Amino acid sequence: KQEVTQIPAALSVPEGENLVLNCSFTDSAIYNLQWFRQDPGKGLTSLLLIQSSQREQTSGRLNASLDKSSGRSTLYIAASQPGDSATYLCAVLDWWGGSYIPTFGRGTSLIVHP
Amino acid sequence: GAVVSQHPSWVICKSGTSVKIECRSLDFQATTMFWYRQFPKQSLMLMATSNEGSKATYEQGVEKDKFLINHASLTLSTLTVTSAHPEDSSFYICSATIIPKREGYEQYFGPGTRLTVT
Repeated sequence: KQEVTQIPAALSVPEGENLVLNCSFTDSAIYNLQWFRQDPGKGLTSLLLIQSSQREQTSGRLNASLDKSSGRSTLYIAASQPGDSATYLCAVLDWWGGSYIPTFGRGTSLIVHP
Repeated sequence: GAVVSQHPSWVICKSGTSVKIECRSLDFQATTMFWYRQFPKQSLMLMATSNEGSKATYEQGVEKDKFLINHASLTLSTLTVTSAHPEDSSFYICSATIIPKREGYEQYFGPGTRLTVT
């Protein structure tokens, strides 16, 4: 069964730093990979979606890459800001048992301090 | 576009009672809706996959008689926690994937429902 691992589990950085969050998955036959942001006690906000045929997606200061063959994705955050403080989750979507099944990592908790 | 709502946003109930949580896709039709549970500082645990008009598919370890899922239409799925116990207290989140498939099965999440069972 698919397993998704996110490293690091927690990160605390000063404002302005460029960051890299890592996501790895064990079964490379994924349909897509999605990065989310979750604020404490809140639901999830989708950041970027990468289809299995794509290698990267960009939105503003965020860039996500996907290397299916190695089972890895990275989320790059440029010029971090305190407002970026949140938990970042990655999820892969697999075809399993006749339907699409999402599997989430445990997340990276990010704190950006002024 | 692609907004998913959940109701209620929070609920407190007594042990032994049942609670229904609604998940609606407001401006699109959803092929599939997923129900998740999240414990404090934990990742999301997929509970079940719900396709309109068919029975939900539950993940291993999730009691289908306790967590009843009804996907009555392409815009509404409900999760009923029956005979709730304090250990059912958690944050429940739904997501929906969009029709048509050109959207690549992107998941759109509801804001979540915090359930507290006393």
